[in-house]
Amino acid sequence: KAGVTQTPRYLIKTRGQQVTLSCSPISGHRSVSWYQQTPGQGLQFLFEYFSETQRNKGNFPGRFSGRQFSNSRSEMNVSTLELGDSALYLCASSPPGVDEQFFGPGTRLTVL
Amino acid sequence: AQSVTQLDSQVPVFEEAPVELRCNYSSSVSVYLFWYVQYPNQGLQLLLKYLSGSTLVKGINGFEAEFNKSQTSFHLRKPSVHISDTAEYFCAVSDRPGQNFVFGPGTRLSVLP
Repeated sequence: KAGVTQTPRYLIKTRGQQVTLSCSPISGHRSVSWYQQTPGQGLQFLFEYFSETQRNKGNFPGRFSGRQFSNSRSEMNVSTLELGDSALYLCASSPPGVDEQFFGPGTRLTVL
Repeated sequence: AQSVTQLDSQVPVFEEAPVELRCNYSSSVSVYLFWYVQYPNQGLQLLLKYLSGSTLVKGINGFEAEFNKSQTSFHLRKPSVHISDTAEYFCAVSDRPGQNFVFGPGTRLSVLP
């Protein structure tokens, strides 16, 4: 069974631009969560989608948004990029009724 | 809201020595506890989890953890570490199955030859 895949793996943008990151969960998994990982803040929860609906949301500004498609694939978008948005963005998926999350390798975003 | 504390940001240890990585969480009526490991340039991989039942949980790669409700702790242990155990370790808690995960700040384990 293929794992969680994230594209692209690396991305370089400049301040003010916007970016879209993609996550394909493990087949059969309907829940997709996004996290931002930085050296100073650790892993911070962005949002979670389940069956195309945002089920939970972390404490991030509105510049961070996401969506989930009918095939459970998810995208997150960050608009008006700031230097502080440089981070590893991790996606995790969970199957129904299971307690753990399965993580992808992440997308490393660098904002110059 | 749940919170997780990992008191040690870095733990250096010699190869074949035992190690304990500490994790404390804020109490909740029900809690599910996890340890994840992150190797360089990779995502997180589940080491072990506590959902209910026996308080001693065994995971992959020889790791185990003990749930202590009275001390709200879930410390991770390994009796003899290898160089390949060098990685960052994250403790996490959730109060609903598959949802509301809160991660600790992580502990960087460095195994020295």
